Amino acid sequence: NAGVTQTPKFRVLKTGQSMTLLCAQDMNHEYMYWYRQDPGMGLRLIHYSVGEGTTAKGEVPDGYNVSRLKKQNFLLGLESAAPSQTSVYFCASNYRYRGSSYEQYFGPGTRLTVT
Amino acid sequence: AQSVTQLDSQVPVFEEAPVELRCNYSSSVSVYLFWYVQYPNQGLQLLLKYLSGSTLVKSINGFEAEFNKSQTSFHLRKPSVHISDTAEYFCAVSSAYSSASKIIFGSGTRLSIRP
Repeated sequence: NAGVTQTPKFRVLKTGQSMTLLCAQDMNHEYMYWYRQDPGMGLRLIHYSVGEGTTAKGEVPDGYNVSRLKKQNFLLGLESAAPSQTSVYFCASNYRYRGSSYEQYFGPGTRLTVT
Repeated sequence: AQSVTQLDSQVPVFEEAPVELRCNYSSSVSVYLFWYVQYPNQGLQLLLKYLSGSTLVKSINGFEAEFNKSQTSFHLRKPSVHISDTAEYFCAVSSAYSSASKIIFGSGTRLSIRP
C-alpha cells in the first residue's frame, strides 16, 4: 500500500493565482482531512470529509475549497492565492470504528510558497 | 470541545539522558489520546496512542506515555534518548464514541538531542 500520497510536493505561486492540491489514499478510509502547518502553531484543520460527496469546514477554512468526488481522493483548492497561505499542507485519513475515528495517517506534505 | 496544551515548545537534552514532554488536555467527554512524531521534512507518524484499558502505553522505540485522568495529562517519556529521536512531537486528543470525530493537535514540542 502506498498509504497517503500528496501531489505536488512543492509549489510556488504568485498572488492571485489558483491551484489544486491532490490527496489520495489507498486504505479505503472514510474520513479525510486537510491541515496547514505553520511554525509554532501546530496543525490547523482547514476542511475535512466524512465520506464521498460530503465536506465540512474546519478551523481555518477561509480562502480554500475542497471536493471529494471519489472516496480515495480529497482535493484542496486555492482560488486566489495570498501570501498568508504560504505554509506546509498535510493531508490525512482515517477509518471509522464503532462510531468513532481513530488515529490519522498522514501524507508527506506539500510546501507552498505564495509570493 | 477539546483542547491540548504542550507546555514546552523546545526541549534540549543530552544524548542518553531521560526526557519528558508534557501534554495537558481539556475535555468534557471521554477522550482518545495520541502522540505523533514529525522528523525533519516529513509528515507526522503515530508514535503511540491511548484508547482504553491500561493507562501506560508504549512505543516500539522506547517511548512511553501515561494517561492521568485526574490531572488531564498524557506526558511522553523516554529513559534514555538517542540522536535519532531529534524531531518535533505533537500531542493530540479526540472525542471517544463520537462519529466524525476530529483530532485536535497541540502546538508541538521540538526535541533536540545534544551529543
